[in-house]
Amino acid sequence: EDQVTQSPEALRLQEGESSSLNCSYTVSGLRGLFWYRQDPGKGPEFLFTLYSAGEEKEKERLKATLTKKESFLHITAPKPEDSATYLCAVGDYQKVTFGTGTKLQVIP
Amino acid sequence: EAQVTQNPRYLITVTGKKLTVTCSQNMNHEYMSWYRQDPGLGLRQIYYSMNVEVTDKGDVPEGYKVSRKEKRNFPLILESPSPNQTSLYFCASSLSLGQGFPYEQYFGPGTRLTVT
Repeated sequence: EDQVTQSPEALRLQEGESSSLNCSYTVSGLRGLFWYRQDPGKGPEFLFTLYSAGEEKEKERLKATLTKKESFLHITAPKPEDSATYLCAVGDYQKVTFGTGTKLQVIP
Repeated sequence: EAQVTQNPRYLITVTGKKLTVTCSQNMNHEYMSWYRQDPGLGLRQIYYSMNVEVTDKGDVPEGYKVSRKEKRNFPLILESPSPNQTSLYFCASSLSLGQGFPYEQYFGPGTRLTVT
């Protein structure tokens, strides 16, 4: 059974204070690892897909990296608008398994 | 505008009264899926569909039914809802997950269901 564990559960940062969110996984055969952002009361919004160890992707203040056992979402100089819950998920050719998310709060 | 729509957005019902939550996408996606989201448990997959007339169980299928008669629609049916099905439900779609390479999913706005 695929498992995805995210840490920390919650993170509070000052504006401009960089940090990283962790997603560790155990899967029978990783096909893709996804990062999503979810705002309160809304559906998850796609951020990144990573397919192989060593791969990195960037978007504005966010950078996602992947190793054979975990992925990191690095947030550089965050702003209050980056406050949200960040979800990690792993997928094979049929099913997708989500972690429980990291709730990020960025304080001005 | 490319989107996934769900209806209704909010629903309060009573135990045992059959209900259907509709889901529609306009992106010509083959893959569609239903999730429920509960505090502390995250998003859990209920059912998914690889294409028309092809559906399969996710991690928490008990008490739910689905059908995929058209490519764009994937309704979720609760034939006899119970209070433990009170949750936030999301429909999602993506290009086919076939050929070994999963693609990102596009999510609907969610349906908040309360069963009393």
